[in-house]
Amino acid sequence: SQKIEQNSEALNIQEGKTATLTCNYTNYSPAYLQWYRQDPGRGPVFLLLIRENEKEKRKERLKVTFDTTLKQSLFHITASQPADSATYLCALEGSGGYQKVTFGIGTKLQVIP
Amino acid sequence: NAGVTQTPKFQVLKTGQSMTLQCAQDMNHNSMYWYRQDPGMGLRLIYYSASEGTTDKGEVPNGYNVSRLNKREFSLRLESAAPSQTSVYFCASSEGTSGILADTQYFGPGTRLTVL
Repeated sequence: SQKIEQNSEALNIQEGKTATLTCNYTNYSPAYLQWYRQDPGRGPVFLLLIRENEKEKRKERLKVTFDTTLKQSLFHITASQPADSATYLCALEGSGGYQKVTFGIGTKLQVIP
Repeated sequence: NAGVTQTPKFQVLKTGQSMTLQCAQDMNHNSMYWYRQDPGMGLRLIYYSASEGTTDKGEVPNGYNVSRLNKREFSLRLESAAPSQTSVYFCASSEGTSGILADTQYFGPGTRLTVL
């Protein structure tokens, strides 16, 4: 069955450093991959979308890579700030429109001042 | 511009009771979605509506029904609540061009439901 793995343990990082979060998937040929931020008690907030034919996407301090050979996406936050502390979710959907969507359980990022 | 709104924010039900969760969006989006989020599990899609007038089952539809009342509103109904339906429920919407994740999804604040 289709499966996503995100680091279930929290990631602690010093302010100013680059945080790198991993999303690995199996039994999937995703057409779309998205990353979300979720704060406690709130709904997820969309950050970035990357398509199967794209290798990398950037938005301000955020960068996402998508390696369909390794079946992995990496999410980077450069110059991390305490305000970046949150849980980050990745999500995948197969090709063909309105296919099965799978969300990871998320990785909790803590940026230490 | 409120985005996606959900009511109620919290609800406690007894087993067997029914209730409807309401969701509305003011972004003129074609597609709307209902998810549930449980501890230790990723968000799971319950039902979706790709466009006004259509609804389809997602990954975990059993025990739920939905109504796409109009383009703005998409409700989720629990006919006979069970403890296994204790969860946080999120509604989302998107332009819906060619898939659930093909566009930005905007999520509501969630409804925290407890079934005793």
